[in-house]
Amino acid sequence: AQSVTQLGSHVSVSEGALVLLRCNYSSSVPPYLFWYVQYPNQGLQLLLKYTSAATLVKGINGFEAEFKKSETSFHLTKPSAHMSDAAEYFCAVIFTGNQFYFGTGTSLTVIP
Amino acid sequence: DSGVTQTPKHLITATGQRVTLRCSPRSGDLSVYWYQQSLDQGLQFLIQYYNGEERAKGNILERFSAQQFPDLHSELNLSSLELGDSALYFCASSLGGDLYNEQFFGPGTRLTVL
Repeated sequence: AQSVTQLGSHVSVSEGALVLLRCNYSSSVPPYLFWYVQYPNQGLQLLLKYTSAATLVKGINGFEAEFKKSETSFHLTKPSAHMSDAAEYFCAVIFTGNQFYFGTGTSLTVIP
Repeated sequence: DSGVTQTPKHLITATGQRVTLRCSPRSGDLSVYWYQQSLDQGLQFLIQYYNGEERAKGNILERFSAQQFPDLHSELNLSSLELGDSALYFCASSLGGDLYNEQFFGPGTRLTVL
């Protein structure tokens, strides 16, 4: 069965520190990969997506993610965390056959 | 504001009942997607419609159905409701018909089944 795994349901970082949110997927075929952000009481917003172009994908708000086929990973990073980055982050994957799955989410807390 | 509207914002009903959730996509978007977000199941893709036709199907229960009308708004019908159907239901829209197109999400409808 296809799956999307986000390691760490809660991540805390200090303001100005590196943000690293992990995502791994189960597939031998490179799928479409996404990172979404959800602020409290709001819908999801697309941060970035990988669609088989460059392996390093730049998104909005200073976030980027690197697709690593050998590790089946698509980790999200941001060099310097801001207070406004506090939110829930979801990794999502479209597998072969239009199977669209989300990870369980990572709640990011930014400590002033 | 994404431009996607959903009504109602909140809905409280009883087990066994049927409800209809409504979604209006962004102006010009042809695709509508439905998602369920619950504590138990997490975030799940339910179904996609593109220009009135079903385009992709996810983990949608047989008790649930959806349709997209000629004016492109969509409705998600949930019947024989169970306690476990309590969740936040999101609608999203996109211009194109592929799942990987950028989707714009509405604020959601919170359904509580008592």
